[in-house]
Amino acid sequence: GDSVTQMEGPVTLSEEAFLTINCTYTATGYPSLFWYVQYPGEGLQLLLKATKADDKGSNKGFEATYRKETTSFHLEKGSVQVSDSAVYFCAQGAQKLVFGQGTRLTINP
Amino acid sequence: ETGVTQTPRHLVMGMTNKKSLKCEQHLGHNAMYWYKQSAKKPLELMFVYSLEERVENNSVPSRFSPECPNSSHLFLHLHTLQPEDSALYLCASSQLAGGGYNEQFFGPGTRLTVL
Repeated sequence: GDSVTQMEGPVTLSEEAFLTINCTYTATGYPSLFWYVQYPGEGLQLLLKATKADDKGSNKGFEATYRKETTSFHLEKGSVQVSDSAVYFCAQGAQKLVFGQGTRLTINP
Repeated sequence: ETGVTQTPRHLVMGMTNKKSLKCEQHLGHNAMYWYKQSAKKPLELMFVYSLEERVENNSVPSRFSPECPNSSHLFLHLHTLQPEDSALYLCASSQLAGGGYNEQFFGPGTRLTVL
């Protein structure tokens, strides 16, 4: 069945470090792909999305490219900030979203 | 109010209680969802309503009963819950468009503790 596998956390980085959170998926067909972020005490917020192969989603310095050949949608940011500390979820689908297990990211000053 | 709101934000209940969670979306969407978020488990989709009709029920126990009286409101009625039902319950909404659904917008969640 459809699934999403994320890099296991927690991930701890220093401010201004480069970030990669890996995400791979299995799906029938070509789903839309999403990254959501959850800050403490809040619900999920859409961070970025891509709807077809080779699309690049970007927002707030974060980027992810829809790679059909590797069934991946890795999240990257060139220079993280303390305020990026949160849990990040990769997801696929449309009407029904299938989520990864989440990756907790902590950025130290 | 903007976006998706949920009340209450925190709820503690005994196993014999009956309570309801409320979700309201102010985005003009026509699809609404309930998710369960437990520690160390992926988000679980519980129910989907499209145009006020339930279109998905993912084998959720009958002690959870959803209600969608209109496109802006969604309830989750709780009855005779178990301690393992303690979790964060998230509501989301989206817009049905062109045969598919646009991205989902989430509320802040209700943190439920069952004693």
